[in-house]
Amino acid sequence: SQQGEEDPQALSIQEGENATMNCSYKTSINNLQWYRQNSGRGLVHLILIRSNEREKHSGRLRVTLDTSKKSSSLLITASRAADTASYFCATDPFSGNTPLVFGKGTRLSVIA
Amino acid sequence: EAGVAQSPRYKIIEKRQSVAFWCNPISGHATLYWYQQILGQGPKLLIQFQNNGVVDDSQLPKDRFSAERLKGVDSTLKIQPAKLEDSAVYLCASSPTSGDTQYFGPGTRLTVL
Repeated sequence: SQQGEEDPQALSIQEGENATMNCSYKTSINNLQWYRQNSGRGLVHLILIRSNEREKHSGRLRVTLDTSKKSSSLLITASRAADTASYFCATDPFSGNTPLVFGKGTRLSVIA
Repeated sequence: EAGVAQSPRYKIIEKRQSVAFWCNPISGHATLYWYQQILGQGPKLLIQFQNNGVVDDSQLPKDRFSAERLKGVDSTLKIQPAKLEDSAVYLCASSPTSGDTQYFGPGTRLTVL
């Protein structure tokens, strides 16, 4: 079963607005990563947040992590049409050499 | 820096046929991953190599799927025979070592008719 579950499944906003996506997971983690996937393309790594971090920024991206609630959020500020893509969270479980587990993703549409 | 290369980009076959995918990771990356991504879902790890050794293949359907990474560089993933439910995008990724950021190739979209 997949560890991370993104919410909402789909999101449609106007250009310039902020977009917030959430991810919930079930077990203890080493870190949580967010990836973007444009239609028909591979995934692109956006940001990694470690279990001892609470917030991280990268350009227009802001990621928060609440390990007590086992949840993370990705905020994209001042969205652009080029941000239209699917966004996935991936958790790196704490137990041993366990691979990344991806959620089903949030499909973001930014309308110009 | 060249990215992860995959070929072919698209493949259409009939059920029970065989198919092979090829991946060339980023130079120097020790870890290579093959994922299966079914439409509407996130990628699911099939197999992970560290150099030319298998680290994790617990989700690889070994009765029909096989993968190898000879010489610890390029890798091939084979399906023999294919089933309808194998229709998916097969993604290859690499990282400097296990646990590092993964860099993905463009994927191979497989359609099994």
